[in-house]
Amino acid sequence: QLVQSGAEVRKPGASVKVSCKASGYSFISYGITWVRQAPGQGLEWLGWISVNSGNTKYAQKVQGRVSMTTDTSTSMAYMELRSLSSDDTAVYYCARFYDYPWDYFDYWGQGTLVTVSS
Amino acid sequence: EIVLTQSPGTLSLSPGERATLSCRASQGVGSSSFAWYQQKPGQAPRLLMYDASSRATGIPDRFTGRGSGTDFTLTISRLEPEDFAVYYCQQYGSSGLTFGGGTKVEF
Repeated sequence: QLVQSGAEVRKPGASVKVSCKASGYSFISYGITWVRQAPGQGLEWLGWISVNSGNTKYAQKVQGRVSMTTDTSTSMAYMELRSLSSDDTAVYYCARFYDYPWDYFDYWGQGTLVTVSS
Repeated sequence: EIVLTQSPGTLSLSPGERATLSCRASQGVGSSSFAWYQQKPGQAPRLLMYDASSRATGIPDRFTGRGSGTDFTLTISRLEPEDFAVYYCQQYGSSGLTFGGGTKVEF
């Protein structure tokens, strides 16, 4: 199970950090990926983190603005997005995957709505 | 980047009918690295199929995935009321990861 933090509202230029709590499986045996969905739109992959090694890979679109981290002591994953604009308004999902560097996502969090508005 | 084009955009069907969803890749997807997801309003996506034709845990056998190379299909043999949703395809081949734009199956 992946349980995410609650909805956030931020002003343009600010940062947001979304959390994802994993349970029911070996946290370090899988990677965590982050996907977002703007209102009424499709799915956009943002990047992934290897829980075991800490290695990350980010989508070019958010490279330089995003940081993904994990805390293995608490089975938590985090995604921080900086320099927010209205284009970043979306539901952000964490999801689990097994194989590197590219895989499908078998379990998803419930999503966290991030609203960027002045 | 491999672009995935899903068709049709919307599929209007009735319960009991057969649904065929298509996803075409702009270039070949290696090793059938292809997945399908179902998403209902207000919910997270749910994995249906992976490796093009393998059902995820708990997915009923009315869902069938086929394809290789650039052309993939998801077939729902007899639509149940709970199948009306948006479906997304995803490729995860050696050149990266992308999603299709979605097909809405509506009643």
